[in-house]
Amino acid sequence: DAKTTQPPSMDCAEGRAANLPCNHSTISGNEYVYWYRQIHSQGPQYIIHGLKNNETNEMASLIITEDRKSSTLILPHATLRDTAVYYCIVRLNTDKLIFGTGTRLQVFP
Amino acid sequence: NAGVTQTPKFRVLKTGQSMTLLCAQDMNHEYMYWYRQDPGMGLRLIHYSVGEGTTAKGEVPDGYNVSRLKKQNFLLGLESAAPSQTSVYFCASSYTTGFGQPQHFGDGTRLSIL
Repeated sequence: DAKTTQPPSMDCAEGRAANLPCNHSTISGNEYVYWYRQIHSQGPQYIIHGLKNNETNEMASLIITEDRKSSTLILPHATLRDTAVYYCIVRLNTDKLIFGTGTRLQVFP
Repeated sequence: NAGVTQTPKFRVLKTGQSMTLLCAQDMNHEYMYWYRQDPGMGLRLIHYSVGEGTTAKGEVPDGYNVSRLKKQNFLLGLESAAPSQTSVYFCASSYTTGFGQPQHFGDGTRLSIL
């Protein structure tokens, strides 16, 4: 079973920041939080991951709460091409990723 | 810069037929994976490999076999296809199993079993 909880869908206006929440209240100390996205009919795309500290790369920022029970993926300036299903995944103590149903982000003009 | 390439992209089979899906990666990754994705669901792990010559079962292995004879290739076989195996199949690879190694995915094979 997926160890994360995400809202099924969200909307965001183009050019605005998209903030996608994820709850992972049972996360253990050595588990990372990963974010992937899947644009329609394509393979999943890695976005970002983190353990404790906030992370930023060219695609997004990841904010992890101090107790690590939740996190937020931030797309600072959403575009229409960011419309996708976003998966928040807690990495198990193996190499297996377990995908839930994710959040369907719709960016509108 | 090919990354992960899956062959074929589409296939239609009749029940009972067999086929092999090919996954090739050019990133010198040790780990490779096969997932399936059904409508409205996330990906589920079928089999994976931690290196050349080794394979292991994932979440939904029944009805599938795999082989990793070369480091760069990971084959998924359906010996006797069933309608329940109609799905989109994704292959992925990663450098190691260590934390912090993201998986890179191919664009999928869409398989229909009639």
